[in-house]
Amino acid sequence: EPEVTQTPSHQVTQMGQEVILRCVPISNHLYFYWYRQILGQKVEFLVSFYNNEISEKSEIFDDQFSVERPDGSNFTLKIRSTKLEDSAMYFCASIWGLFGANVLTFGAGSRLTVL
Amino acid sequence: QQQVKQSPQSLIVQKGGISIINCAYENTAFDYFPWYQQFPGKGPALLIAIRPDVSEKKEGRFTISFNKSAKQFSLHIMDSQPGDSATYFCAASKMGGNQFYFGTGTSLTVIP
Repeated sequence: EPEVTQTPSHQVTQMGQEVILRCVPISNHLYFYWYRQILGQKVEFLVSFYNNEISEKSEIFDDQFSVERPDGSNFTLKIRSTKLEDSAMYFCASIWGLFGANVLTFGAGSRLTVL
Repeated sequence: QQQVKQSPQSLIVQKGGISIINCAYENTAFDYFPWYQQFPGKGPALLIAIRPDVSEKKEGRFTISFNKSAKQFSLHIMDSQPGDSATYFCAASKMGGNQFYFGTGTSLTVIP
């Protein structure tokens, strides 16, 4: 079964450092997402990406965050200068298209710990 | 603004019992309501979903009940098993929509 692959599974970083989280979405999917889940809390939408540009973003997704699809397969989330409150599980997800009932497929997540 | 409200936050059920998780939404434009199941250390995975043109959808032991007029939907897990212990998230979106709104999650523990 196709799956969304995320790396690293866990990253520990110092406050103020840059972090890049990587995702390989399902190959024929066209829409890509990043979600965040602070420990024990709800899954929060960060950003959606289609056709090499951001299609929607939440208020959480401020200037410290950026996304890109550098090589047509990887989909990355960059946090430019991490803060303590960025500590969370970050999930990448993808959908084939926007027609019919969409199955949003999540990766296993990248746990970010900011010290 | 919380687009989807979910309760309870946690639930403990005896093996063989019925687990019921409730969600309510505000936006009447929502017309696709999936439930996701998340095990520790894993990403959420689609469990079952419903469209508002039906009031109930059943897949095995899992049933979604949908009340369009009340803008509520619920997940029922019949004959709950210890392997069902997980966090369950309801969600809502517009059919063909780009964004999914998740509830706050329910941590289900099924006691043997």
